[in-house]
Amino acid sequence: KAGVTQTPRYLIKTRGQQVTLSCSPISGHRSVSWYQQTPGQGLQFLFEYFSETQRNKGNFPGRFSGRQFSNSRSEMNVSTLELGDSALYLCASSLGGFGDEQYFGPGTRLTVT
Amino acid sequence: EDQVTQSPEALRLQEGESSSLNCSYTVSGLRGLFWYRQDPGKGPEFLFTLYSAGEEKEKERLKATLTKKESFLHITAPKPEDSATYLCAVVPGGSYIPTFGRGTSLIVHP
Repeated sequence: KAGVTQTPRYLIKTRGQQVTLSCSPISGHRSVSWYQQTPGQGLQFLFEYFSETQRNKGNFPGRFSGRQFSNSRSEMNVSTLELGDSALYLCASSLGGFGDEQYFGPGTRLTVT
Repeated sequence: EDQVTQSPEALRLQEGESSSLNCSYTVSGLRGLFWYRQDPGKGPEFLFTLYSAGEEKEKERLKATLTKKESFLHITAPKPEDSATYLCAVVPGGSYIPTFGRGTSLIVHP
């Protein structure tokens, strides 16, 4: 079956702009989680959506937001970009139960200049 | 504050040389502990979920174990294709938010 897809794969933005990243989960998966990975902070949890509702949220400022559509596809948005937002943004999908196997996408590499 | 520490940071092994990676944690209770492997330029790949002390899970050359304060990922007779960064994540009781360790970078030489 098709894996998790993320678009775009690479993105360059200027400080102060906003960006929207997209994630298409594996068919049948209802949970989509987003993560930020940087060399300095490692892998950090952003938020999780399940059946169009945000179910869990990590410790990130309100500039980071997301949503999930009825087909489980998800988007995350970062407003007023800062240089420190440069990172690999990963999404992962799962059936939705705690501990269920998560399948990660290849990530979107965001560079803020 | 929840803390997850992985050791060693880097490990070089010869093919066939078994070893263990450590993930120690300080959290209030434990809802679950996760192990992943990540290859360069790719997203993590799920390996195991462990829920309670004494639990063990195996997959091919990998075996994960859990105690009340740490988890070990044992690699038996590793092959070069086992080279990757291994990450653990801990979810404390009363939460569903994972805290990740910084990972162990494993290189297996042929």
